[in-house]
Amino acid sequence: QQQVKQSPQSLIVQKGGISIINCAYENTAFDYFPWYQQFPGKGPALLIAIRPDVSEKKEGRFTISFNKSAKQFSLHIMDSQPGDSATYFCAATLPGNTDKLIFGTGTRLQVFP
Amino acid sequence: KAGVTQTPRYLIKTRGQQVTLSCSPISGHRSVSWYQQTPGQGLQFLFEYFSETQRNKGNFPGRFSGRQFSNSRSEMNVSTLELGDSALYLCASSLNRNTIYFGEGSWLTVV
Repeated sequence: QQQVKQSPQSLIVQKGGISIINCAYENTAFDYFPWYQQFPGKGPALLIAIRPDVSEKKEGRFTISFNKSAKQFSLHIMDSQPGDSATYFCAATLPGNTDKLIFGTGTRLQVFP
Repeated sequence: KAGVTQTPRYLIKTRGQQVTLSCSPISGHRSVSWYQQTPGQGLQFLFEYFSETQRNKGNFPGRFSGRQFSNSRSEMNVSTLELGDSALYLCASSLNRNTIYFGEGSWLTVV
């Protein structure tokens, strides 16, 4: 019940296209949903995050859409660029005195020019 | 502002040996967490420390241990290494869950 399921495992998008990565969860106690971007040889970097009382959050070309009733959330990358090629992880945290992140399995995004 | 620093970056150990990995958090961050990243299991939470106290622990065997010092620096130790312990070990420091920053990791290869 503490899992976060992520799809697709890999994604190939043409430059300028929209990249969409989906995540689903079962535990309704999760109260914070961040997305991380990881380049080869680097640690994950926080990209954007959302709380379940908000249905959408946009930061530049990155948007999180959140569907509380369906227990799903997704990352949309508009106008995808070759520099966006990386692995993306969704994550969730439980409330309380912890920063523990429960990660999805990751999506490897490749953006071709 | 310096980021999360992990040392060593790369190391090779033999089965049965032990290893200690070090993490220096961002200045002012009192919470440090450790994660194991492998191609098969992804990113898995090991443990979390705050003010020298372990406040959360993942589902790893007792061979995996950690500690935090009074200056918030943290170490993790893996004893009796197994081939399956080969992984990228990531340290993260945070002020709160909105500000969790990862280091570049320590690549451990067990042969």
